[in-house]
Amino acid sequence: DVKVTQSSRYLVKRTGEKVFLECVQDMDHENMFWYRQDPGLGLRLIYFSYDVKMKEKGDIPEGYSVSREKKERFSLILESASTNQTSMYLCASRPRTDGYTFGSGTRLTVV
Amino acid sequence: SQKIEQNSEALNIQEGKTATLTCNYTNYSPAYLQWYRQDPGRGPVFLLLIRENEKEKRKERLKVTFDTTLKQSLFHITASQPADSATYLCALDRGSTLGRLYFGRGTQLTVWP
Repeated sequence: DVKVTQSSRYLVKRTGEKVFLECVQDMDHENMFWYRQDPGLGLRLIYFSYDVKMKEKGDIPEGYSVSREKKERFSLILESASTNQTSMYLCASRPRTDGYTFGSGTRLTVV
Repeated sequence: SQKIEQNSEALNIQEGKTATLTCNYTNYSPAYLQWYRQDPGRGPVFLLLIRENEKEKRKERLKVTFDTTLKQSLFHITASQPADSATYLCALDRGSTLGRLYFGRGTQLTVWP
């Protein structure tokens, strides 16, 4: 089975900190994605990548950046964490024509 | 922009009955439509994918239909069980090589004994 691993299950950071969320997949998928999920708002796409070093903005990229230096790893960076970035963050990967495999999620709290 | 609506936020049914969840979309026509299950505090899990030229797809107790004229997909769980209680998400895939999906907000299904 494809596995998508997110580095932390729970994370607490202070306002203004630079935060790195790591995601690794083990199936050589081209496409990787970062979503955040908030009650009542559903899944919202932050950034995605269709190849190494390639990235595309999703629907809510402000305050975030990403890095994909290797095919298996896709990192989400919060440049200066704010309390409105408290959320569940979900990473996913997929081959060209199949479903996503999601990681277990990182619940980030910014205080 | 792509809009996906799932019929209700919550659906409660009795064990043994068939649960039917609805997904409607507007604007662009998808090449594929996908369904996911999500349990509290976990990431969604892929269940089924149906292509635009397929009318129906089955997997064990699950059945998905896709009507491109109505711009609607129905997701059925037959002989439902309390273990089926979860949030179910539909997602549209326009078939782009970029690979992004457009998700609905989900329907929370509760199956009571």
